[in-house]
Amino acid sequence: DAGITQSPRHKVTETGTPVTLRCHQTENHRYMYWYRQDPGHGLRLIHYSYGVKDTDKGEVSDGYSVSRSKTEDFLLTLESATSSQTSVYFCAISGSAGGASYEQYFGPGTRLTVT
Amino acid sequence: QKEVEQDPGPLSVPEGAIVSLNCTYSNSAFQYFMWYRQYSRKGPELLMYTYSSGNKEDGRFTAQVDKSSKYISLFIRDSQPSDSATYLCAMTSTGFQKLVFGTGTRLLVSP
Repeated sequence: DAGITQSPRHKVTETGTPVTLRCHQTENHRYMYWYRQDPGHGLRLIHYSYGVKDTDKGEVSDGYSVSRSKTEDFLLTLESATSSQTSVYFCAISGSAGGASYEQYFGPGTRLTVT
Repeated sequence: QKEVEQDPGPLSVPEGAIVSLNCTYSNSAFQYFMWYRQYSRKGPELLMYTYSSGNKEDGRFTAQVDKSSKYISLFIRDSQPSDSATYLCAMTSTGFQKLVFGTGTRLLVSP
């Protein structure tokens, strides 16, 4: 998975609790992304980062926040988890030469269940 | 209406068949087109990339883009059981920060 790890890989949490997912890369890629994947919707971009402390919203950013304090780590936080946030979350990276690239490398995914 | 439409399948074919996977899109600004393959419980991986219209071939795989019809295709020749996966199309206009993905088509190739 191109030097990308996600933690945890599986999580079950209760409605209203905060949850943080971590993406760690060893490839020194500039761009990092968080997606969620749901049946009937495919992959949808939540947030992305184009550098340390530089982030932007994606298509489905409501209820999510992100932070990137180091090149290698991109955190996704659900401040107060809801059942609609039950999903598989994928981290991706791109931009080995500094710019964004059509090739994104995906991590193994995190299965989050909110009960 | 979604920007990118893709039949979810599943598409079941026998080994050796030619497979055609397709996406339609509504945004005429899209000019970069990609196909990703995703095995069960794994992250997607890039399979093919095409810029603007035309064909691109890589081994058993051919990607085709028809911008006038807003239609892209992925052909797989001599399909193998190892090709069984979900195939997602993705596209973008300028820059690659925001790819728009189709929902994916699940392909099953039986021996």
